[in-house]
Amino acid sequence: SQQGEEDPQALSIQEGENATMNCSYKTSINNLQWYRQNSGRGLVHLILIRSNEREKHSGRLRVTLDTSKKSSSLLITASRAADTASYFCHPHPGSNYKLTFGKGTLLTVNP
Amino acid sequence: EAQVTQNPRYLITVTGKKLTVTCSQNMNHEYMSWYRQDPGLGLRQIYYSMNVEVTDKGDVPEGYKVSRKEKRNFPLILESPSPNQTSLYFCASNGAGDEQFFGPGTRLTVL
Repeated sequence: SQQGEEDPQALSIQEGENATMNCSYKTSINNLQWYRQNSGRGLVHLILIRSNEREKHSGRLRVTLDTSKKSSSLLITASRAADTASYFCHPHPGSNYKLTFGKGTLLTVNP
Repeated sequence: EAQVTQNPRYLITVTGKKLTVTCSQNMNHEYMSWYRQDPGLGLRQIYYSMNVEVTDKGDVPEGYKVSRKEKRNFPLILESPSPNQTSLYFCASNGAGDEQFFGPGTRLTVL
């Protein structure tokens, strides 16, 4: 099954700082998605970047994708305490097959 | 409102007592799946279904059953629950290549 590996496993920053999380994957993809999970809640979709795109923005989120390196990064700018959550990347093959998730990056934003 | 619902949200049961966790989506999605989430292990896929009457095993199917008799429903059945099935369970659905919508989660404790 296709899954991403997030790095670092945990990240702690101060409010107002930027947070960068990385994702690596192994096989070809149609798109790559990032999700957020607040403690004990279901995952929520944040942003999707297609394999022919290199960068995408949504509000304070910036996602990059390098298909040659099979990697992606998620940047959250001007972080807030409410951004505290786990973040998961999800490399999607384009056909609905075994869709799985890695262990995520736990982001803690300290007020 | 587009959503995935799960019931019950919380359940405490005893070893060997059959239980069913229901999952329903209102988005006419073909693909649905079940995950369990345990500390340090991330999200692991239990079963998935690519359409009505089509189901397949994920990474951790032992001890679980599913059925997909209609497109909107995808119940998870534990015929004889054991303590190692104590976990947080999520149902999800998605259309072709698109984002996954997750349910709110079911926290199951098996004594």
